[in-house]
Amino acid sequence: EVQLVESGGGLVKPGGSLRLSCVVSGFTFSDYGINWVRQAPGKGLEWVSSISSSGSFIYYADSLKGRFTISRDNAENSLYLQMNSLRVEDTAVYYCARDDSGANDYWGQGTLVTVSS
Amino acid sequence: DIQMTQSPSSLSASVGDRVTITCRASQSISSYLNWYQQKPGRAPKLLIYAASSLQSGVPSRFSGSGSGTDFTLSIGSLQPEDFATYYCQQSYSTRWTFGQGTKVDIK
Repeated sequence: EVQLVESGGGLVKPGGSLRLSCVVSGFTFSDYGINWVRQAPGKGLEWVSSISSSGSFIYYADSLKGRFTISRDNAENSLYLQMNSLRVEDTAVYYCARDDSGANDYWGQGTLVTVSS
Repeated sequence: DIQMTQSPSSLSASVGDRVTITCRASQSISSYLNWYQQKPGRAPKLLIYAASSLQSGVPSRFSGSGSGTDFTLSIGSLQPEDFATYYCQQSYSTRWTFGQGTKVDIK
């Protein structure tokens, strides 16, 4: 069974940092790109970042302005999102999702990040 | 970035109705268009990929069509479990974008 499990969310003050993790099982992690997608409370879906299967190709949403860093450890079946200089508008549920030829076919349950003073 | 615009933003329908949602891209995206369903408090679920291919396990009442800039998602006969929010998403560019969503609720 394919599973993606996010962790690392929580409450952080503006300007703070968090590192999200996504641990996967049930498929060969190193064969797939992975995406982070977020959803602010009551809002729609927003693509955040993508990383290719090998980690060689990485893309970010322009709105992040260099504050977030995506990475992966294929030996540990894990994906990470380092989030720095967090803003109130970064408050959202963050999902990791498997990329199968441009479509997110499996998603985690999400982890909530709240940025508030 | 490629902008994705869905219409309508919301609609009310009855069980058994045929429902159509449209998605327009700000430039041609060929067939790099996916549709997702999301229920409250749940992760999105892939319904249609590559504009018209039905994801495994998704009921055949869901169908997708279109190419270039204009796309549609149709639900042939709305079932109680189909009341949800639907999103389109383009993967033509390396910076993916989603539509703003269409909420389908009970009339």
